Amino acid sequence: DAGITQSPRHKVTETGTPVTLRCHQTENHRYMYWYRQDPGHGLRLIHYSYGVKDTDKGEVSDGYSVSRSKTEDFLLTLESATSSQTSVYFCAHGAAGRTDTQYFGPGTRLTVL
Amino acid sequence: SQQGEEDPQALSIQEGENATMNCSYKTSINNLQWYRQNSGRGLVHLILIRSNEREKHSGRLRVTLDTSKKSSSLLITASRAADTASYFCATGVGANSKLTFGKGITLSVRP
Repeated sequence: DAGITQSPRHKVTETGTPVTLRCHQTENHRYMYWYRQDPGHGLRLIHYSYGVKDTDKGEVSDGYSVSRSKTEDFLLTLESATSSQTSVYFCAHGAAGRTDTQYFGPGTRLTVL
Repeated sequence: SQQGEEDPQALSIQEGENATMNCSYKTSINNLQWYRQNSGRGLVHLILIRSNEREKHSGRLRVTLDTSKKSSSLLITASRAADTASYFCATGVGANSKLTFGKGITLSVRP
């Protein structure tokens, strides 16, 4: 248990609907990350946060927004879901500093029909 | 774009054999890490090697780093069926502790 949970674990939604995925950590770590994992692409960074209300874009941020109002929670929102956003989404957190080790949640499988 | 590229993409070995996986990257790094992912699960950190280190060990794992060749290798000795998983290398570059992951290697260990 890496002290990090994701909800929901599975979601099926329709094109055009908004979707919010939640990541919750209990380690009080400063850094949090959202990735998506797709066959043939490995993990790609969507957005990350380096503190409350401090976020920045990753490699594949188009169509996604994030919010972090508390240290422990990092939300990923798809404002209007598209079929290309069907993926497995992973959240991670890390203490940074001398080590950049990240600790991953169990993932959310999202299907957009 | 992917910073790390693993090789081979898939590896199948017999239990008890050693498994060697390679990772190449393109730019200067602060550190390189290896992660394991079991089917349907999140990634688990295995080992980290910093840019000023050449070799590290952790249990049955041995990782090397050659910054002149921009490459790393992960050796798993005396493999077990439980080592069956996907393995990813990730490079740490610059600020905010961001990591860039490769596409992964699928390791199958036959009992």
